[in-house]
Amino acid sequence: QVQLVQSGAEVKKPGASVKVSCKASGYTFDSYGISWVRQAPGQGLECMGWISVYYGSTNYAQNLQGRVTMTADTSTNTAYMELRSLRSDDTAVYYCVREGGDCSGGTCYYYFQHWGQGTLVTVSS
Amino acid sequence: DIQMTQSPSSLSASIGDRVTITCRASQSISRYLNWYQHKPGKTPDLLIYGASTLQSGVPSRFSGSGSGTDFTLTISSLQPEDFATYYCQQSYNSTKTFGGGTKVDIK
Repeated sequence: QVQLVQSGAEVKKPGASVKVSCKASGYTFDSYGISWVRQAPGQGLECMGWISVYYGSTNYAQNLQGRVTMTADTSTNTAYMELRSLRSDDTAVYYCVREGGDCSGGTCYYYFQHWGQGTLVTVSS
Repeated sequence: DIQMTQSPSSLSASIGDRVTITCRASQSISRYLNWYQHKPGKTPDLLIYGASTLQSGVPSRFSGSGSGTDFTLTISSLQPEDFATYYCQQSYNSTKTFGGGTKVDIK
């Protein structure tokens, strides 16, 4: 079965960087993209961006451009999300997500199907 | 980025009530719209994709409609296990933005 196992909780000071890992198993890693989603305390879900594991191409949310980098290592089936210049409002649970899709009707619809367990990143001085 | 606006942000309802949540996209997204249910301490569960297709295993009291910029999630008869936060999400482009969420709690 598909599993996404993320690295453990992190505590960082403002201005520092954090790199969260997401190890995939149970499917062909480079056949699907990986998205990253975060949820700050008491807030909603925010999609941070997406990486095509096969091509290595990325798309990032506009509000995170310049601070976030998503990568994928096909030799270890692991995706990474690095966030730099951390601020207190970056405190959140960070999730990696693999898509699923349905192309049976001629049009392909994609959705978030498999989630990692989440990684709490706390930014505090 | 495509902005997704949900309303209301919260609502109180009773068991058996019909509940409707709306979602508006900042540009046309055809039918590339998903709905999720999210409960505290768990990861979100997919309810509906393609604006109206029920994910396997999801009860038929959930339904979705709409296309273009305006979408609706309806729960025909609210059950105790439906108290949760609901999110719409556009899948028109690769950065799949969410709406702000609608928290459904007990009246």
